[in-house]
Amino acid sequence: QSALTQPASVSGSPGQSITISCTGTSSDVGGYNYVSWYQQHPGKAPKLMIYDVSNRPSGVSNRFSGSKSGNTASLTISGLQAEDEADYYCSSYTSSNSYVFGTGTKVTVL
Amino acid sequence: QVQLQESGPGLVKPSETLSLTCTVSGASISSYDWSWIRQPPGKGLEWIGDIYSSGTTNYNPSLKSRVTISADTSKNQFSLKLSSVTAADTAVHYCARRRSWYNWFDPWGQGTLVTVSS
Repeated sequence: QSALTQPASVSGSPGQSITISCTGTSSDVGGYNYVSWYQQHPGKAPKLMIYDVSNRPSGVSNRFSGSKSGNTASLTISGLQAEDEADYYCSSYTSSNSYVFGTGTKVTVL
Repeated sequence: QVQLQESGPGLVKPSETLSLTCTVSGASISSYDWSWIRQPPGKGLEWIGDIYSSGTTNYNPSLKSRVTISADTSKNQFSLKLSSVTAADTAVHYCARRRSWYNWFDPWGQGTLVTVSS
């Protein structure tokens, strides 16, 4: 199973909105509404930000939102803040009853 | 509040077996599914496998021949064994909870770096 494809980096100024894409296939992203997103600060463990494509866990800012179209899922961060600077990973359940992660995206706040 | 803590040797020799334990507090391991996930230095995340609340296991096909995940309910711990390791297995290893029938990982342990080197 190949890793889901994400852009290596995305940047934006404070207050702006950015979107990170996560492209897979019909056997993973496109086949199930089981995409999740994780934020990882340097040296820290990943933190769940979005589950089941568009749901936010309790405690996660509503500036984070998720969506999906076909084989591509997206994470949008609105009102970008300095604390949002981190690596972001998508993940999807697959038809092989396994899980695959994305290649990761480094978000830089300019 | 559920907390997970990985433990085990930080250095393993090539061809030997990597062994890690995840100690869970705040939840019974018999009530949820649990996962191991790894991250080579500077690289992305890779799902290693799950142990379900029933004790059944499910592994990444690419690692299946070398992976064993088991649980010790008396200690509220679950463990990872990866055999015949090479330098490519050097990674930070995380344990995480994955609720039964749900498809996300939360929370995660802090992670532990295992280096494969002679």
